[in-house]
Amino acid sequence: GAVVSQHPSWVICKSGTSVKIECRSLDFQATTMFWYRQFPKQSLMLMATSNEGSKATYEQGVEKDKFLINHASLTLSTLTVTSAHPEDSSFYICSARKSGGADEQYFGPGTRLTVT
Amino acid sequence: GESVGLHLPTLSVQEGDNSIINCAYSNSASDYFIWYKQESGKGPQFIIDIRSNMDKRQGQRVTVLLNKTVKHLSLQIAATQPGDSAVYFCAEILSGSARQLTFGSGTQLTVLP
Repeated sequence: GAVVSQHPSWVICKSGTSVKIECRSLDFQATTMFWYRQFPKQSLMLMATSNEGSKATYEQGVEKDKFLINHASLTLSTLTVTSAHPEDSSFYICSARKSGGADEQYFGPGTRLTVT
Repeated sequence: GESVGLHLPTLSVQEGDNSIINCAYSNSASDYFIWYKQESGKGPQFIIDIRSNMDKRQGQRVTVLLNKTVKHLSLQIAATQPGDSAVYFCAEILSGSARQLTFGSGTQLTVLP
């Protein structure tokens, strides 16, 4: 149990366009989901915390108008990269925490975004 | 803010030997620590965790040691196998926080045949 999926697994888009990435908890409900970004050879950096039914909390330095997060249900959170630029090319990973307060986060397989 | 760092960026071990990956953390208010394994192009995979009220926890072929006095965390992998080759991250959660994970910089483990 505790499987998290992401879609798409990879995407290539042109500069200036928007891209939506989905994160789904397949066999559990997740009140809280997290979005991370990882550049090559680097660690995971938390971008934002997404709570079902409320606005996401963004980390310092992350533009909320550029990285739109929606967590409309207990099994789905989406990250939309708006007006993407080559510097937004990265590996985006989501995680989900089970409703009920346990600390463990279950990670998705990641989405590779390349902006040309 | 808090930070988690690793002593070594790369580690090479012979197949069958034991591996030890170290991690230093700076925030004594952290109360939960996790080790993750990340293979190339994949998301992190949970290995083992430990609460701050413990100093050792064992899993299958893995042991995590926590030394709160010197704020040090280590992951020991017994009888390292080629499939263990990956980047290993330690991560911490601050007590009383929004329970967000803060990741360390990672150690690349390479298992030599």
